[in-house]
Amino acid sequence: GQNIDQPTEMTATEGAIVQINCTYQTSGFNGLFWYQQHAGEAPTFLSYNVLDGLEEKGRFSSFLSRSKGYSYLLLKELQMKDSASYLCAVTDSNYQLIWGAGTKLIIKP
Amino acid sequence: NAGVTQTPKFRVLKTGQSMTLLCAQDMNHEYMYWYRQDPGMGLRLIHYSVGEGTTAKGEVPDGYNVSRLKKQNFLLGLESAAPSQTSVYFCASSNRLESYNEQFFGPGTRLTVL
Repeated sequence: GQNIDQPTEMTATEGAIVQINCTYQTSGFNGLFWYQQHAGEAPTFLSYNVLDGLEEKGRFSSFLSRSKGYSYLLLKELQMKDSASYLCAVTDSNYQLIWGAGTKLIIKP
Repeated sequence: NAGVTQTPKFRVLKTGQSMTLLCAQDMNHEYMYWYRQDPGMGLRLIHYSVGEGTTAKGEVPDGYNVSRLKKQNFLLGLESAAPSQTSVYFCASSNRLESYNEQFFGPGTRLTVL
């Protein structure tokens, strides 16, 4: 079966750095997405990785290792507005997005 | 541009009632999707469409029907609602199906079936 695993919840301090991990087992791989979802709102796109390595976009970076079936999202200089759920999703061999359950990130002052 | 819009935003149904959720996008996207999101679970694909007049089943299609009569609209119908269909429903669209198929989401519909 297809499976994406992420921690359910993480807590971090304002101004700090946090890494959210995602491991996946899917039938094929055509890219990995990270989305941000604030409570009661729609998911919004954060990053996309299809090749191994690190993609940096401002305070957010995303890393991919296809051989290990592993990705992480790194958030630097955390702000209170970063409190949200972070969703990992993989495009499988049929180009369908398979979604993880999301990681709820709680930022404390 | 409004992006992806959904109506209604909230709805309460009694078991056995029917309803239609409307999704509209103004980005000229070919592909549209209906998902449901339940606590502790990832987004699950109900149905999707790769173009006007076409629909296909996703992961959890039972109890739902869809139609894509116009490119910009994608309707999700519940013929006989059940409490198990209580969920938040998201519509999404994208301009490609293959890699880098970034999906743009509507604001969601919160449905409660009593």
